[in-house]
Amino acid sequence: GNSVTQMEGPVTLSEEAFLTINCTYTATGYPSLFWYVQYPGEGLQLLLKATKADDKGSNKGFEATYRKETTSFHLEKGSVQVSDSAVYFCALLYKAAGNKLTFGGGTRVLVKP
Amino acid sequence: DTAVSQTPKYLVTQMGNDKSIKCEQNLGHDTMYWYKQDSKKFLKIMFSYNNKELIINETVPNRFSPKSPDKAHLNLHINSLELGDSAVYFCASSQDLLGSSYEQYFGPGTRLTVT
Repeated sequence: GNSVTQMEGPVTLSEEAFLTINCTYTATGYPSLFWYVQYPGEGLQLLLKATKADDKGSNKGFEATYRKETTSFHLEKGSVQVSDSAVYFCALLYKAAGNKLTFGGGTRVLVKP
Repeated sequence: DTAVSQTPKYLVTQMGNDKSIKCEQNLGHDTMYWYKQDSKKFLKIMFSYNNKELIINETVPNRFSPKSPDKAHLNLHINSLELGDSAVYFCASSQDLLGSSYEQYFGPGTRLTVT
């Protein structure tokens, strides 16, 4: 079946450091890929998405590129802020499977001033 | 003007009780979902409805019964609550099922604690 694997956290960084969160997936066909962010005490917000190979999603300084050859969708940000402290979820979706989002386990990121 | 809202935000109850969580979206979306997030933050879909029709039922115990009175609402009723039901339950919605606007928007979550 489909699955998503993310690097385990927590990831602790200093402000202005470079952030990478690895995400790989196992799926047949061509799913859409997403990154969601969950700030403390809140629900999930869509951060970015990519719908086909080589697409790059970007938002709020975060980027991720859909790499079909390595089945990866790593999240990166060049200079993190304290406000980026959150849990980040990688997810895949097949429209033909009823729009079911399959999530990775989440990666907690803590940015210290 | 909240897009996807859930009530209550917190729910503490005893084992064996029956409880409901309500979800409403004002985005005009056709499809709604329930997800469960366990204590380790792992998220898994439970149900989805499209135009009030059940689309996904992800091997959830039949103590859980979703009800969609109209396209804007998807409620979750849980009978005979068990300790293992303690989790955060998220409602979500998307514009449509197979079209181009399928991004899901999530509510703030309902933290259910069963004692």
